[in-house]
Amino acid sequence: AQKITQTQPGMFVQEKEAVTLDCTYDTSDPSYGLFWYKQPSSGEMIFLIYQGSYDQQNATEGRYSLNFQKARKSANLVISASQLGDSAMYFCAMREGGGSNYKLTFGKGTLLTVNP
Amino acid sequence: GAVVSQHPSWVICKSGTSVKIECRSLDFQATTMFWYRQFPKQSLMLMATSNEGSKATYEQGVEKDKFLINHASLTLSTLTVTSAHPEDSSFYICSGRRRGSRYEQYFGPGTRLTVT
Repeated sequence: AQKITQTQPGMFVQEKEAVTLDCTYDTSDPSYGLFWYKQPSSGEMIFLIYQGSYDQQNATEGRYSLNFQKARKSANLVISASQLGDSAMYFCAMREGGGSNYKLTFGKGTLLTVNP
Repeated sequence: GAVVSQHPSWVICKSGTSVKIECRSLDFQATTMFWYRQFPKQSLMLMATSNEGSKATYEQGVEKDKFLINHASLTLSTLTVTSAHPEDSSFYICSGRRRGSRYEQYFGPGTRLTVT
């Protein structure tokens, strides 16, 4: 079974509108964390936001917020006021357990296109 | 921010030769470094995890004799693809985890390897 599922291969949004990118996860570990990364066409992975399983509040970073619904095992990324520069591939990833040698498991990604 | 560089950014080599990719953390000490590969339009797959001064831990299915990883210092890790074949052509990305950081991984810009 996939540990990270991103069901939207591609999404389109109008500039200045908000968009939600879906991510569901599967783990039996009580300690885990969820990340969102952006990968522009140039290839580098840009860290956007992180949510720990024990964090009481949903994470926010500027225009990015994470809608964390623990019971549903979902961690959707919300981008407000989309900009043309937001067009990129977006990956959801999960770490399981603690310690220094945790691993990240990535979803297959969602290609976001922002239209002018 | 935490900056990771990779060199070279792209390389073309002939089948049967070896190629070395360097990953450097420029402004932080990376106690743990990770190597990923990414095929076109696909997700990142973890190849191995290395701690400074220790042998790398390889993921299942990754040939340790083919993909040699060295993490000689807190700012440098290298991946050597030995006896490269066309199927090794891929995008290789490294990341580093900063000493004392929570869980963030900082990614390099990636190296595109083409084996002819």
